[in-house]
Amino acid sequence: DAMVIQNPRYQVTQFGKPVTLSCSQTLNHNVMYWYQQKSSQAPKLLFHYYDKDFNNEADTPDNFQSRRPNTSFCFLDIRSPGLGDAAMYLCATSRDRGGTYNEQFFGPGTRLTVL
Amino acid sequence: AQSVTQLGSHVSVSEGALVLLRCNYSSSVPPYLFWYVQYPNQGLQLLLKYTTGATLVKGINGFEAEFKKSETSFHLTKPSAHMSDAAEYFCALGGRNQGGKLIFGQGTELSVKP
Repeated sequence: DAMVIQNPRYQVTQFGKPVTLSCSQTLNHNVMYWYQQKSSQAPKLLFHYYDKDFNNEADTPDNFQSRRPNTSFCFLDIRSPGLGDAAMYLCATSRDRGGTYNEQFFGPGTRLTVL
Repeated sequence: AQSVTQLGSHVSVSEGALVLLRCNYSSSVPPYLFWYVQYPNQGLQLLLKYTTGATLVKGINGFEAEFKKSETSFHLTKPSAHMSDAAEYFCALGGRNQGGKLIFGQGTELSVKP
């Protein structure tokens, strides 16, 4: 089945130690999104890639970076995690950005714990 | 400005009872509307969507929603709740002028009592 895969599902890191979260997709979608979701809150968009074009949200901290080396993979790098970065990180994809194609397909998420 | 409001952060129903989760939106252009469900420690799963056409939309797991332009609403219903419906539900707004982004409501946690 075509799907969005996130690895690892659970990640523990230390305060200030860089961490990378991974997302891959077999849907061949053009757009990939990264969201941060804290407890009992809606997902908050950090940034997205439209093909190779990177789009950062205005309020995303510089501590968060992303890479998309090819269509299938996208990475979220947190350069110096703080306690406030502990959250669920969700990856999503959509076929395109416009028209009826901005239905987003979500991965299972990575739960990040910062010690 | 585009926005989504979900009325009630927590809804509790008895098993077998009607489920009604409320969603109102504000949009300057014809909206695309989505309902997602999230189980604990999982990602979001699409329940149903409205883009154009029929205003009564049927989704998975027996859920349906009706797009009412005059009321700017897209409420989610299910005739008979099941224990497995207990989860967080998000209403989301997309549209032609949002570059693919979704605007989420704050979520409604549904509890189902035996």
